[in-house]
Amino acid sequence: DAGVTQSPTHLIKTRGQQVTLRCSPKSGHDTVSWYQQALGQGPQFIFQYYEEEERQRGNFPDRFSGHQFPNYSSELNVNALLLGDSALYLCASSWDAAYGYTFGSGTRLTVV
Amino acid sequence: QKEVEQDPGPLSVPEGAIVSLNCTYSNSAFQYFMWYRQYSRKGPELLMYTYSSGNKEDGRFTAQVDKSSKYISLFIRDSQPSDSATYLCAMSGRNTNAGKSTFGDGTTLTVKP
Repeated sequence: DAGVTQSPTHLIKTRGQQVTLRCSPKSGHDTVSWYQQALGQGPQFIFQYYEEEERQRGNFPDRFSGHQFPNYSSELNVNALLLGDSALYLCASSWDAAYGYTFGSGTRLTVV
Repeated sequence: QKEVEQDPGPLSVPEGAIVSLNCTYSNSAFQYFMWYRQYSRKGPELLMYTYSSGNKEDGRFTAQVDKSSKYISLFIRDSQPSDSATYLCAMSGRNTNAGKSTFGDGTTLTVKP
């Protein structure tokens, strides 16, 4: 049973560019959340998608947007990249978020 | 001040030791409490979750929650070198807020053979 899969695994972008990260949730999971993890810190909640709608959002600017498709897969888009956006971006899925998430291995984004 | 504070570590123990990992929180709306383990270059892996005060045991792991003190702990018995990782506590609220987990910054544990 495949867990959460994310692509790509690594990405290097130039400041000002736009990036799209992709996530396929674990089979049976319908809720997808995205987190940003800076080096040496815990994951920070970006937003959560359920039934193709953004259900909750963390303290991130509008440059961060997302989408969920009918098959529950999801995309995270970041516009006008800043150097400070360099981080590990984690996708997590669940069937009931109160009982914790299954995380993917993440996409490491480097902005130069 | 952060909503969730985690003992920063790093922590280094000999194989077989009992390990105690701790977090405190300030938001009384937190109702669900989780512990994750994160190996280098990997995503966090859920170890334990609980939603009530008291102890929950799973093999060598025991999660303890004290809501009155806003304090949670994870105990690892008979620690093994394979337990060497970063441990993250996480918490969330009820209903619609259950989806937003707030994490501590992690404690890095090294278990020496």
